[in-house]
Amino acid sequence: NAGVMQNPRHLVRRRGQEARLRCSPMKGHSHVYWYRQLPEEGLKFMVYLQKENIIDESGMPKERFSAEFPKEGPSILRIQQVVRGDSAAYFCASSPGSGGRGEKLFFGSGTQLSVL
Amino acid sequence: SQQGEEDPQALSIQEGENATMNCSYKTSINNLQWYRQNSGRGLVHLILIRSNEREKHSGRLRVTLDTSKKSSSLLITASRAADTASYFCATDGRNAGNMLTFGGGTRLMVKP
Repeated sequence: NAGVMQNPRHLVRRRGQEARLRCSPMKGHSHVYWYRQLPEEGLKFMVYLQKENIIDESGMPKERFSAEFPKEGPSILRIQQVVRGDSAAYFCASSPGSGGRGEKLFFGSGTQLSVL
Repeated sequence: SQQGEEDPQALSIQEGENATMNCSYKTSINNLQWYRQNSGRGLVHLILIRSNEREKHSGRLRVTLDTSKKSSSLLITASRAADTASYFCATDGRNAGNMLTFGGGTRLMVKP
């Protein structure tokens, strides 16, 4: 019974390149959340998706960042033309979506993005 | 600004002692959750307390919630070296949809 799977675990990109981060939620979970964490800080909400729909993207920068959760396959967080300030740990979490507001989240191990 | 703010930011204690971490938040909530994060890993859910509850226990964990003061505390009794981690509170916020807002965390070190 696999948990939330994120890959890659570590991703190194040069400035201007694209970064694609993948997240497969737990089996049976239809809600996916992306969070970003800087060293020694808490998690900052980025985007909340259900299958094929973006529900809340209020925490995601308007430019260069996009997210999707297709009907088939993992959720993808895409960062275009990366800059050094994008370096951070990006965590994906999932929930069944049946527990109502503020239900328990299950987190992946994160992708550490380093921009050179 | 963050919905949840933990206090203290860092805490160092000896094995066997109790550790108390506090969390304050700003807006009304439906529930408050505590998570643990080991270095370089994802967060693991510890306990959830609903807005109509005042105290909850789970093993060596005890959580209190005071909605009038908009604050919560997490107590770990008889701490062990393996409890060394960062601890975060998270709130849902009545108007925040399904997403959780996390505080900055308390970094706990338990010395053997």
